[in-house]
Amino acid sequence: DAGVTQSPTHLIKTRGQHVTLRCSPISGHKSVSWYQQVLGQGPQFIFQYYEKEERGRGNFPDRFSARQFPNYSSELNVNALLLGDSALYLCASSFGLAGGRTSVAKNIQYFGAGTRLSVL
Amino acid sequence: RKEVEQDPGPFNVPEGATVAFNCTYSNSASQSFFWYRQDCRKEPKLLMSVYSSGNEDGRFTAQLNRASQYISLLIRDSKLSDSATYLCVVTHMEGGSYIPTFGRGTSLIVHP
Repeated sequence: DAGVTQSPTHLIKTRGQHVTLRCSPISGHKSVSWYQQVLGQGPQFIFQYYEKEERGRGNFPDRFSARQFPNYSSELNVNALLLGDSALYLCASSFGLAGGRTSVAKNIQYFGAGTRLSVL
Repeated sequence: RKEVEQDPGPFNVPEGATVAFNCTYSNSASQSFFWYRQDCRKEPKLLMSVYSSGNEDGRFTAQLNRASQYISLLIRDSKLSDSATYLCVVTHMEGGSYIPTFGRGTSLIVHP
């Protein structure tokens, strides 16, 4: 079975440009979350989408946006790139809302391999 | 104060050793807890969920102490392959949404 897939795997951009990252969840999973991970730190939560609606937002500027499509795949968009946006961007999928109490097993997140973004 | 704190290590232990990691969290309303493992330049992978009653999976034992607001991970009989970064994740509710927060990770190096 296919896991979470992300594209592209690597990306190089310059300051001021915008970028779109893509994620396909595990088949049957309805929730997608996005994280930013810089070297030496844990992943930082950006967004969670469930059933095509935003259900959680981390402490990131409005330059970051996302959406989820009817097939549950998702895009993360970042505008006006800054040098500090260079990081590994991880997508995670879960059957239900990640962190929900109703069923821990259904809310476990499975991560894709990530997109490594370099901003020059 | 960070919401989720972990000792970054590294913890450098010989094969066969027992090692324990702690992770403290600041939000008393936190609802779900997990340990993930991350190998160098790879994605995080779930190691185990953490339940209130504590749980064990082979050589790994996870415990939750809500009163003191920490979770722990115990690894017995360490293997070379256990070398990785161990991330704790704590989720709380905020404005009707679940917000997962990762710690920065604890690095474990198991040597022969």
